[in-house]
Amino acid sequence: IAGITQAPTSQILAAGRRMTLRCTQDMRHNAMYWYRQDLGLGLRLIHYSNTAGTTGKGEVPDGYSVSRANTDDFPLTLASAVPSQTSVYFCASSDEGRGVNEQFFGPGTRLTVL
Amino acid sequence: GQNIDQPTEMTATEGAIVQINCTYQTSGFNGLFWYQQHAGEAPTFLSYNVLDGLEEKGRFSSFLSRSKGYSYLLLKELQMKDSASYLCAVMDSNYQLIWGAGTKLIIKP
Repeated sequence: IAGITQAPTSQILAAGRRMTLRCTQDMRHNAMYWYRQDLGLGLRLIHYSNTAGTTGKGEVPDGYSVSRANTDDFPLTLASAVPSQTSVYFCASSDEGRGVNEQFFGPGTRLTVL
Repeated sequence: GQNIDQPTEMTATEGAIVQINCTYQTSGFNGLFWYQQHAGEAPTFLSYNVLDGLEEKGRFSSFLSRSKGYSYLLLKELQMKDSASYLCAVMDSNYQLIWGAGTKLIIKP
């Protein structure tokens, strides 16, 4: 693995189903983030984690949950998907506390909820 | 509230220069980022400004004026591969990134 990986690449999901989007990084970054990107809107932060074992809510957390059991993995779960959660989801990581702190992004998951 | 404004779309000619503006109003300021995003791909980091002035990196330069809440990204010697969306983001007082909606840059031959 080099950088950040996300799975699946895309998914079509029936409303009401549970879904977990996976995110793994191998850069040993302490901070990780989940964003959604919708046409005409900027990236919106769903949840974040500053370090393993801690998580926080972003701008649009409702309907989503996360966990950070270790440094590398940061899964995002939709407990009961709704059509408004149709979006492209990006996972990102950064090395907080060092230099510029730019965020590195995974390739994204395109989710369609019907 | 927090707000990042940038033009929705711009068109420029191959070989020319284009300036993409970004204005912001945020609760606190801990730096401004520019990212490039090609269609269907992830955003990639271009530049970072935390002090006033111009940062130059090859064909790309980024300027910041904190007193005016203003930044621009300058792209020189445009190439067809520069066709992409350019995202402006500000790190607020909570060290969270607030993102603009992005400027879609179309390069014509």
